[in-house]
Amino acid sequence: DAGVTQSPTHLIKTRGQHVTLRCSPISGHKSVSWYQQVLGQGPQFIFQYYEKEERGRGNFPDRFSARQFPNYSSELNVNALLLGDSALYLCASSLQTDRELFFGEGSRLTVL
Amino acid sequence: QQQVKQSPQSLIVQKGGISIINCAYENTAFDYFPWYQQFPGKGPALLIAIRPDVSEKKEGRFTISFNKSAKQFSLHIMDSQPGDSATYFCATRLQGGSEKLVFGKGTKLTVNP
Repeated sequence: DAGVTQSPTHLIKTRGQHVTLRCSPISGHKSVSWYQQVLGQGPQFIFQYYEKEERGRGNFPDRFSARQFPNYSSELNVNALLLGDSALYLCASSLQTDRELFFGEGSRLTVL
Repeated sequence: QQQVKQSPQSLIVQKGGISIINCAYENTAFDYFPWYQQFPGKGPALLIAIRPDVSEKKEGRFTISFNKSAKQFSLHIMDSQPGDSATYFCATRLQGGSEKLVFGKGTKLTVNP
């Protein structure tokens, strides 16, 4: 079975641009979470979606938004990119909320 | 407080030795304590996890020890192997159905052959 898949794996943007990152959860998993991992740090929670509804939001500005689709895949959008948004963006899925999280390999975003 | 303090930042052990990584937390409402292993260029992978109703959990060479009164938990890797060289993260989660994990800053483990 495929694990959590994320796309793109790497991307480079310039300040002020917008980016969309995509995630497909493990088959059967209904919950998707997004994390930001800055180099040398642990992942930091951004959003959780369960059954297409937002269930949690971390301490990130409104430039960050996300949604979950009927097939449980998810998108993370970041507007008005800043240099500090450069990070590995991780998607994680679980069978339902309050269960083990399984992470994808991430999307490496570089903002120049 | 939702911080998790992890130590040491880096650790070097010889093959066959024991690797010990420690974490401390402050919020007594945390009810789930996983450890993740991350190789360069990869996402974190769940290694082992414990809930506060037990003091120890062992899976193969990996053991979590949990001290509820001290609000500390640790990962022990027995018979450490070069393939265990990776960054290890402890994490915690609030009770109540949230999926928000709060991670430590990580420990880079190097196991020398």
